[in-house]
Amino acid sequence: GAGVSQTPSNKVTEKGKYVELRCDPISGHTALYWYRQSLGQGPEFLIYFQGTGAADDSGLPNDRFFAVRPEGSVSTLKIQRTERGDSAVYLCASKQGAETDTQYFGPGTRLTVL
Amino acid sequence: AQKVTQAQTEISVVEKEDVTLDCVYETRDTTYYLFWYKQPPSGELVFLIRRNSFDEQNEISGRYSWNFQKSTSSFNFTITASQVVDSAVYFCALSETNTGNQFYFGTGTSLTVIP
Repeated sequence: GAGVSQTPSNKVTEKGKYVELRCDPISGHTALYWYRQSLGQGPEFLIYFQGTGAADDSGLPNDRFFAVRPEGSVSTLKIQRTERGDSAVYLCASKQGAETDTQYFGPGTRLTVL
Repeated sequence: AQKVTQAQTEISVVEKEDVTLDCVYETRDTTYYLFWYKQPPSGELVFLIRRNSFDEQNEISGRYSWNFQKSTSSFNFTITASQVVDSAVYFCALSETNTGNQFYFGTGTSLTVIP
């Protein structure tokens, strides 16, 4: 079946602009995660949804970052007033929901803030 | 504190050599899961294996094998008879049941297999 998809694959924006990154999880997966991966680093946790609600948003770096999942499927990560330090690959992962399940990752969105 | 340490930043081997990628983790949970993912140049993280903390049996899958040792908090990954297609960045990750199952990733080991 289809894997996790993310759009756009690349996003270039200017400092101070607002961006939205979209994640479409594997069908039937109730849990969804957002990670950020900087160059040469491992992915870092941002936020975790179980269904429609954010079960853990402790990884969001500041209040410029926000994510929603209104219908428990597609999720959007929103970044306001982007800064050059926000440049990274943003990864989305989903899993079926049980704690034993494996997370499956999308291809990521490469965000570049000029 | 880093929960997952991959001390090897870069490794180069000649094709057909065996190579072991090290992973050391830190957790106070009694129930946790360990993972290895491969990230080829295309960028997508590909799941390789998952182990739970109660299963210390080593596992072999084709040319891949994993050695899980709770006594040393290690979960090492060996590729036998390496191939050029194995060239990628490999990440070890820890998932704790008490933290919503978020993954803690190591910094990755970049493996280059030279033909």
